[in-house]
Amino acid sequence: QVQLQESGPGLVKPSQTLSLTCTVSGGSISTNSYYWSWIRQHPGKGLEWIGNIYYVGTTYYNPSLKSRLTISLDTSKNQFSLKLASVTAADTAIYYCARSQRILSSLSVVPGSLNSWGQGTLVTVSS
Amino acid sequence: QSVLTQPPSVSGAPGEKVTISCAGSSSNIGAGYDVHWYQQAPGTAPKLLIYGDMNRPSGVPDRFSGSKSGTSASLAISGLQAEDEADYYCQSYDSSLSAHVLFGGGTKLTVL
Repeated sequence: QVQLQESGPGLVKPSQTLSLTCTVSGGSISTNSYYWSWIRQHPGKGLEWIGNIYYVGTTYYNPSLKSRLTISLDTSKNQFSLKLASVTAADTAIYYCARSQRILSSLSVVPGSLNSWGQGTLVTVSS
Repeated sequence: QSVLTQPPSVSGAPGEKVTISCAGSSSNIGAGYDVHWYQQAPGTAPKLLIYGDMNRPSGVPDRFSGSKSGTSASLAISGLQAEDEADYYCQSYDSSLSAHVLFGGGTKLTVL
């Protein structure tokens, strides 16, 4: 069974770049069956999709974060990563990585359910 | 404000049935895109509860059921148990937005 694990600094200074890595075990990220996703949750709030990456490197970003966001993957390490630039206190959140099934829905191939999640990592933006 | 609208809270007594709604539009749920539901207990990662509108992953009790009609979807929980107290989120896709993944705002279920 696939497992995902987030790693990275728990504290980032304002204006710096938040960098997280998700290590996937029990399955390869080089598969056409899934998107690899980042989701965050501000303290006490709901889930916010950050972005997806497909194994060939195609990325899909939340428009509200797109100008600061880079998602990449390292197939040799079976990892994918998130970089969010110019962070502020508003970026303080729990960050989750997850695996999203690619499905045929309403005649289009779209992200389906997020069927595997990492445990999440709290990132605090503070000086 | 989320494109997928859920009630902020619902409640029910043990043994009762509750329903959580997820209201969308013609570009997401109404366009036929699949709806998925997640359960998030305090301090834990979300867990997939229902996928493809009405399907339960292995291990999810049949007390949980999903449905969809028109531009809305619903999650029903019957035979409420104390451990069902959690936050619940719906998720779908929208063809008119650049966002690849949409979540509802979440519903807090309280078991009285």
